[in-house]
Amino acid sequence: KAGVTQTPRYLIKTRGQQVTLSCSPISGHRSVSWYQQTPGQGLQFLFEYFSETQRNKGNFPGRFSGRQFSNSRSEMNVSTLELGDSALYLCASSFRGVAEAFFGQGTRLTVV
Amino acid sequence: QKEVEQDPGPLSVPEGAIVSLNCTYSNSAFQYFMWYRQYSRKGPELLMYTYSSGNKEDGRFTAQVDKSSKYISLFIRDSQPSDSATYLCAMSSDGSSNTGKLIFGQGTTLQVKP
Repeated sequence: KAGVTQTPRYLIKTRGQQVTLSCSPISGHRSVSWYQQTPGQGLQFLFEYFSETQRNKGNFPGRFSGRQFSNSRSEMNVSTLELGDSALYLCASSFRGVAEAFFGQGTRLTVV
Repeated sequence: QKEVEQDPGPLSVPEGAIVSLNCTYSNSAFQYFMWYRQYSRKGPELLMYTYSSGNKEDGRFTAQVDKSSKYISLFIRDSQPSDSATYLCAMSSDGSSNTGKLIFGQGTTLQVKP
């Protein structure tokens, strides 16, 4: 069974640009969550989608947005990138609940 | 004060030792307690999850939850060099309905020396 797939694995962007990250969940999983991981703050919840609807959102500015498609694949977008957005962005999918959330390998975003 | 506190370590032990990893939390609404293992440059890997209080065992790993003390533990028996990684505790107040979010500890870096 394929795991959670995130693309791309690495990205380098310039301040002020925007970026779109992609996540394909495990087949059959309808819930997709996004997290930001930094050395200082650890793993922080961004948002969660289920059946194309955002059901929960973390404490991040509006520059961070996401969406989910009918096939459960999800994208997150960060506009007007700042240096502080440099982080590992992780996507997790689950079927029965957040207690069994499986993570992808992440996309490492570097903003220069 | 963070909702979940975890000693970042690093924790260094000899091969074969019993490792004890711990987290404390402040939110009494947490019902689901998870342990993840994260190798360098990889995503977190789910090791175990426990609902409410009690113990759960899976091979060399044992998870314990004490809700009265707001304290959770992960024990690793017969530790191996391949166990060297960062261990993250995570908690949620809403596991079954898919609306909950995971609150993570900072992670404990473990090194098992041959």
